[in-house]
Amino acid sequence: GAVVSQHPSWVICKSGTSVKIECRSLDFQATTMFWYRQFPKQSLMLMATSNEGSKATYEQGVEKDKFLINHASLTLSTLTVTSAHPEDSSFYICSAPTGSVGHEQFFGPGTRLTVL
Amino acid sequence: EDKVVQSPLSLVVHEGDTVTLNCSYEVTNFRSLLWYKQEKKAPTFLFMLTSSGIEKKSGRLSSILDKKELSSILNITATQTGDSAIYLCAVLYNNNDMRFGAGTRLTVKP
Repeated sequence: GAVVSQHPSWVICKSGTSVKIECRSLDFQATTMFWYRQFPKQSLMLMATSNEGSKATYEQGVEKDKFLINHASLTLSTLTVTSAHPEDSSFYICSAPTGSVGHEQFFGPGTRLTVL
Repeated sequence: EDKVVQSPLSLVVHEGDTVTLNCSYEVTNFRSLLWYKQEKKAPTFLFMLTSSGIEKKSGRLSSILDKKELSSILNITATQTGDSAIYLCAVLYNNNDMRFGAGTRLTVKP
């Protein structure tokens, strides 16, 4: 089946630094990718939709200047958490649909971010 | 407001029991409903349902969509401890919108 990778799988950083998370579709092209965050014992919360060749679409309440998304190519989207703070510590997951809208999503393995 | 509601939020059963998990939705321009199983990390895909009344089956798991009732159920028969996980329901709607339910935490005791 389709594979989505994320890098890094975990990261620990100091407050105030920026962290970049990569999401790659390994064997298919994805014009759209989704970024989620998940707090302990809670469901996935969609943060933004990453669109190749255009600006990302952010969900209400998500700061676009803090969570920078760049869909650099048909196989790569990056999420940069700028000036990270401890409250940004979370599990960040990306997903990509394999085909046209309505097709199943394949999820990356996730990135555990801990901000000290 | 678009929403996806799962019930129950938590469920504890014993091995061999059959469970039914529910997902209801209220969205505009529904496209499909997806079920995922999440253990320790990212969710793994179970089913995608687009058409009403057609059961999808995979081993002991099955699911069906009822567009009239705006809901779906996920059945697990002869549960095993390995079925313990959070089961997530997600709905795709409009052009490319997606919303997850809160999940059902299933615990299967030996």
